[in-house]
Amino acid sequence: AQSVSQHNHHVILSEAASLELGCNYSYGGTVNLFWYVQYPGQHLQLLLKYFSGDPLVKGIKGFEAEFIKSKFSFNLRKPSVQWSDTAEYFCAVCPTSGTYKYIFGTGTRLKVLA
Amino acid sequence: DAGITQSPRYKITETGRQVTLMCHQTWSHSYMFWYRQDLGHGLRLIYYSAAADITDKGEVPDGYVVSRSKTENFPLTLESATRSQTSVYFCASSEHWTELSYEQYFGPGTRLTVT
Repeated sequence: AQSVSQHNHHVILSEAASLELGCNYSYGGTVNLFWYVQYPGQHLQLLLKYFSGDPLVKGIKGFEAEFIKSKFSFNLRKPSVQWSDTAEYFCAVCPTSGTYKYIFGTGTRLKVLA
Repeated sequence: DAGITQSPRYKITETGRQVTLMCHQTWSHSYMFWYRQDLGHGLRLIYYSAAADITDKGEVPDGYVVSRSKTENFPLTLESATRSQTSVYFCASSEHWTELSYEQYFGPGTRLTVT
């Protein structure tokens, strides 16, 4: 069955610390990969996406993610977090063929201490 | 303002009642989606629609009904609400299903409590 795993459910960091959130997926075919963020009281919004090409993709607010096909992983990184990065982060995959249904991970709640 | 809106934002209802959650988007996006967000489960797809009058089941469709008579509206109905349907419901839309348009735009959510 298709699935997306986010191993870190809650992460607490101090400002300026580096961030890496793990995401692994299980799917036999080609997928597009996404990271969405939900700031407190706000809509989910797209952070970054990978379709093809360079496996290192850059998104908004200094976030980046690396697609490692052999590991079925799409980890999110940021070199130095800020208090304003406090949010919930969701990894998602979408098969490139078929019914185009998104599969979301369970989310990671990040709290950045000022 | 243009965008995607949901109503109501908060709803408390009793077991067995019918409830309809509304979703409206102003972009004329072809695709629309309903998700529910539960602790430990992330977002799970309930139903989606590729166009007006075209709908299909997602991962957790049981107990829900959708319709899409107009492109801009995608209401979700709980025919007979149960406590297990207490959740936060998100509506989303997407322009069209090409490589450049896989991004989904989410509404603010509806927090539904079934007592």
